[in-house]
Amino acid sequence: DAGVIQSPRHEVTEMGQEVTLRCKPISGHDYLFWYRQTMMRGLELLIYFNNNVPIDDSGMPEDRFSAKMPNASFSTLKIQPSEPRDSAVYFCASSLRGRSEAFFGQGTRLTVV
Amino acid sequence: GDSVTQMEGPVTLSEEAFLTINCTYTATGYPSLFWYVQYPGEGLQLLLKATKADDKGSNKGFEATYRKETTSFHLEKGSVQVSDSAVYFCALPDNYGQNFVFGPGTRLSVLP
Repeated sequence: DAGVIQSPRHEVTEMGQEVTLRCKPISGHDYLFWYRQTMMRGLELLIYFNNNVPIDDSGMPEDRFSAKMPNASFSTLKIQPSEPRDSAVYFCASSLRGRSEAFFGQGTRLTVV
Repeated sequence: GDSVTQMEGPVTLSEEAFLTINCTYTATGYPSLFWYVQYPGEGLQLLLKATKADDKGSNKGFEATYRKETTSFHLEKGSVQVSDSAVYFCALPDNYGQNFVFGPGTRLSVLP
C-alpha cells in the first residue's frame, strides 16, 4: 500500500480564498483523522471520522473549517475563507479499529498571505 | 481524561551520546503505548510500540519499556546519530479507543 496520500504538498493562497486539502487513507482503515501542526500550538486534532461518519469535530477552530468523507477512500478539509492564521501544516492520518497505530500522510503545508 | 506528559526539550546532544526522553501517561486501563518520530519536512511515523505492561518496544536502536507501576514509557538510545535529529512524540489511544492522545513532542538535535 502507498500509505496515506495527501494533496497538495504545498499550497499558497491569498487571504479570503477557499482552500481544499485532500486525503486518501490506507485501504481498509476505518478511522481517519485531520490534524494541524504549528510551532505555537503543536499538533492539534481537528476532526476524526469512523466509517466515513464524523465522530468528533470539537477541534475544528471555526465555522470556516469543514471536513467531509464521502466514501472510505477520500476525505477533504476545506477552509473558506482562509486567513493568514490558518497557515500551518495539515496532516491526515488513518488507523484500523482505533487502538492500533495511526499512519500519517506527508502533510500539506498551507501558507495564507 | 487520558493524557501524556513528555519533556519538551529541545534536547541537544553530541553524536554517540546516550539519549533519554521521558514520557509519563494517565489512562484508564492499560492501553498500547507509542513513540512516533517526525523528521524535518515529513509526517509522523511510528517508531515503536508496546501493547502491554513490561513489553519492550524497539526499532532503529531505540527502546522503550511499558512500566505500569510508574506509568512511564521513556524512550532511550545508547548512541545517537546526526540522522536521529527529529521531533519525538509519545502517544496512546484515548479511553474510548477511537482517537489518539499525543504528547507535545520533544525536538532532538544531534551535533556531529
